[in-house]
Amino acid sequence: DAGVIQSPRHEVTEMGQEVTLRCKPISGHNSLFWYRQTMMRGLELLIYFNNNVPIDDSGMPEDRFSAKMPNASFSTLKIQPSEPRDSAVYFCASSLKVGQASSGANVLTFGAGSRLTVL
Amino acid sequence: DQQVKQNSPSLSVQEGRISILNCDYTNSMFDYFLWYKKYPAEGPTFLISISSIKDKNEDGRFTVFLNKSAKHLSLHIVPSQPGDSAVYFCAARRGTGFQKLVFGTGTRLLVSP
Repeated sequence: DAGVIQSPRHEVTEMGQEVTLRCKPISGHNSLFWYRQTMMRGLELLIYFNNNVPIDDSGMPEDRFSAKMPNASFSTLKIQPSEPRDSAVYFCASSLKVGQASSGANVLTFGAGSRLTVL
Repeated sequence: DQQVKQNSPSLSVQEGRISILNCDYTNSMFDYFLWYKKYPAEGPTFLISISSIKDKNEDGRFTVFLNKSAKHLSLHIVPSQPGDSAVYFCAARRGTGFQKLVFGTGTRLLVSP
């Protein structure tokens, strides 16, 4: 398995532009997570899906952010319009067997991240 | 509100010595804890975990200790190797409902030869 695949790896855009980040989770994983990494706050959970359904989007900063998961093998995180403070590394992660919380096997597998710079 | 805190942003250790990375949490409902390691330009990778029913878990050179009364856990690496140089994230999870990991801000470990 190629792991969690994210694109683009790097994105530089100007303030006000729309940004779309993409993620392909590991085949067979039924949960998908979008995290954002900043120096000040570390890894923040933005939203997560279970079986393609958004479960908790309380971490989404504001209405400029939206995420979709149209099928089990693809998800997007969109920022419209983008602002300089959105500059960060955005990680997608997937996992299996959500709900069996006592199992140590429920670890997240992360993609390599998408580094976003908004000028 | 930072529920998981890693108060040391960086740590430098000599090769062969012990590295101790610390993590504190505030939510007493957390009952499962994990450490992730992150190299530059890569995503975090799972390293080791511990359930709240234990106070120690060991895997090779890596040992995680949990002190529930102090809401504190630590990761020990013995002996440290230059390849251990990375950012280490502590994470915590509640036992019920869907898996939702709360991460700390990370500690950058540098192991020098």
